[in-house]
Amino acid sequence: GQNIDQPTEMTATEGAIVQINCTYQTSGFNGLFWYQQHAGEAPTFLSYNVLDGLEEKGRFSSFLSRSKGYSYLLLKELQMKDSASYLCAVGDSNYQLIWGAGTKLIIKP
Amino acid sequence: ETGVTQTPRHLVMGMTNKKSLKCEQHLGHNAMYWYKQSAKKPLELMFVYSLEERVENNSVPSRFSPECPNSSHLFLHLHTLQPEDSALYLCASSQEPQPPYEQYFGPGTRLTVT
Repeated sequence: GQNIDQPTEMTATEGAIVQINCTYQTSGFNGLFWYQQHAGEAPTFLSYNVLDGLEEKGRFSSFLSRSKGYSYLLLKELQMKDSASYLCAVGDSNYQLIWGAGTKLIIKP
Repeated sequence: ETGVTQTPRHLVMGMTNKKSLKCEQHLGHNAMYWYKQSAKKPLELMFVYSLEERVENNSVPSRFSPECPNSSHLFLHLHTLQPEDSALYLCASSQEPQPPYEQYFGPGTRLTVT
């Protein structure tokens, strides 16, 4: 079967660094996505990895290891506005996205 | 209007009602999606339309009926729903199959079935 696992909830302190992990087992692989979803709002695209390695985009970075079926999203210099759910999704062999349940990130002052 | 819009934003309906959700994308994309989002559960893909043809239907009950009259508009017709259908219904669009084919989401319709 297809499965995407990520922690349900994480807590971090403003100004700190947090790493949100995602492991996956899917039929086929056409890239891994990270989305951010604030409460009551639509998910918004953060990053896309299709090759192994680290992609950096400002305060956010995303890492992929295809051999391990593993990715992480790294958030640096945390701000209160980063409090949100972070969704991991994998593109399967038909380019449809398989979604994790999301990680709720709570930022404390 | 820009991006992906959805109407209505909130909907309360009885189990015997018939209603429709509307989605419109202004991004020139060729694929559109309906998702169901329930609390603490992964996004559930319901329907996919590519170039106005339905390419996926993930065993969705027949009380949900999609319609895609053109590449910019998508509807979800609802009838005789059950209380467990209460959820956030999200519409998304993308440009397939060109990577990174990220999906752009509308704000969603919060549906409550009473």
